[in-house]
Amino acid sequence: GENVEQHPSTLSVQEGDSAVIKCTYSDSASNYFPWYKQELGKRPQLIIDIRSNVGEKKDQRIAVTLNKTAKHFSLHITETQPEDSAVYFCAASTYSGGGADGLTFGKGTHLIIQP
Amino acid sequence: SQTIHQWPATLVQPVGSPLSLECTVEGTSNPNLYWYRQAAGRGLQLLFYSVGIGQISSEVPQNLSASRPQDRQFILSSKKLLLSDSGFYLCAWSPGLATQYFGPGTRLTVT
Repeated sequence: GENVEQHPSTLSVQEGDSAVIKCTYSDSASNYFPWYKQELGKRPQLIIDIRSNVGEKKDQRIAVTLNKTAKHFSLHITETQPEDSAVYFCAASTYSGGGADGLTFGKGTHLIIQP
Repeated sequence: SQTIHQWPATLVQPVGSPLSLECTVEGTSNPNLYWYRQAAGRGLQLLFYSVGIGQISSEVPQNLSASRPQDRQFILSSKKLLLSDSGFYLCAWSPGLATQYFGPGTRLTVT
């Protein structure tokens, strides 16, 4: 089965600086890679996702890059703000026209934005 | 728009008691449905997923079971809870294009 490794487990950055979280996956059949943000006691919220037919995707201050050859993908947050403080999870799955397997998650990164 | 509900929001149950958690989705038809568990301070683990009524795939052997009696209803059950069943149970739905959206979750404490 799929295995997703996520690093670092904790990341502390100064407000306004950039943050980068990295994940690797093991199954070359995986073709969908979402990122979720989870605030304490709440549900994970999808913030950005990427499919294997593209190498990069941006949404305002957030970007995700994918390297299929190396089997790794990264989340980039620029101009960090206090409200970016949360736990971030990467995940991977395989989907086809009929549906998708469940997501395999990394263990999460606790992002701390220092004022 | 689509909405996903879970209940109850919190639950405290003694060891050995039964469990039934419910998830329903509104505003869509024939969604893929998923159950995940998140232990305290940990990542999310896929438990079950379903692509249609009566179709359940199990990912992890355990004393839990799932059922999908209606198109937009997904139920997680146990006959006898263990202490290790404590956690945050999250239901998710997908329109079939892999993107998954999570419900508000049920926080279960087994005492």
